[in-house]
Amino acid sequence: AQSVSQHNHHVILSEAASLELGCNYSYGGTVNLFWYVQYPGQHLQLLLKYFSGDPLVKGIKGFEAEFIKSKFSFNLRKPSVQWSDTAEYFCAVNARNTGKLIFGQGTTLQVKP
Amino acid sequence: EAQVTQNPRYLITVTGKKLTVTCSQNMNHEYMSWYRQDPGLGLRQIYYSMNVEVTDKGDVPEGYKVSRKEKRNFPLILESPSPNQTSLYFCASSPGGAGGYEQFFGPGTRLTVL
Repeated sequence: AQSVSQHNHHVILSEAASLELGCNYSYGGTVNLFWYVQYPGQHLQLLLKYFSGDPLVKGIKGFEAEFIKSKFSFNLRKPSVQWSDTAEYFCAVNARNTGKLIFGQGTTLQVKP
Repeated sequence: EAQVTQNPRYLITVTGKKLTVTCSQNMNHEYMSWYRQDPGLGLRQIYYSMNVEVTDKGDVPEGYKVSRKEKRNFPLILESPSPNQTSLYFCASSPGGAGGYEQFFGPGTRLTVL
C-alpha cells in the first residue's frame, strides 16, 4: 500500500532561516508529487508539483522541491523563510493514472518574527 | 469566481442521525474527491470520482457514501454517523480525470458527532 511520511511534525524557525521539510513515500510505480500549504483559516492550496522532467521544481512564494527517485523523497526547501510562511505543509503522492491521493501527516511551521 | 463550495460549514449532530454534506464546483472539473483531516494524521481520502457516475473508495471509506449524478456535485452521505466520524472534511476537484492534477479545495466542513 502507498504511504507518505513527513519526518518533521512541528518546526520553529526565525525569520530569514533556511527551511527543509522532509517527505518520503513508499510506492514502486510512477508517481506524481505535490506539496500543499494550509495557511491559518484558509483553504489548502498548491505550492508546487512534480510530474516529470527536471527533478528540481519551483513553486510559489520562493519554495522549491527536489525529487530524488532513488530515495523516494520529495523534500521542500526555502532559502529564507518569512513570518507569513507560518502554516501547515502537506506532502502528497498520486500513483499515476489513478484517482488516489495520499497525504503525509503534515508539518506545522511556525516562523518567529 | 471559480470555487468549490461546501455546506454546511459547521455541523453538530447526534449518533445515528443521517446527514449529507454537499459539495459543488463551478469549474467543469472531471475529478472530485472527499477527505477528512484529523490532528496528527493529515488528510485521508474517503472517496473520489473520476467522472460522472464513476466513484471509487479511498483509504477510509467505511461509514460513508457518495454519489456523482452530475458533474458539478459530489455529496458526502453519513447514513449513521458515529463519534469517530467527528472531523474536518474537505471536498476537492481537479480538471483531470485522475488524481495527478492540482486539486482545488473547498473551505471545509467541521462535523461533530455526539
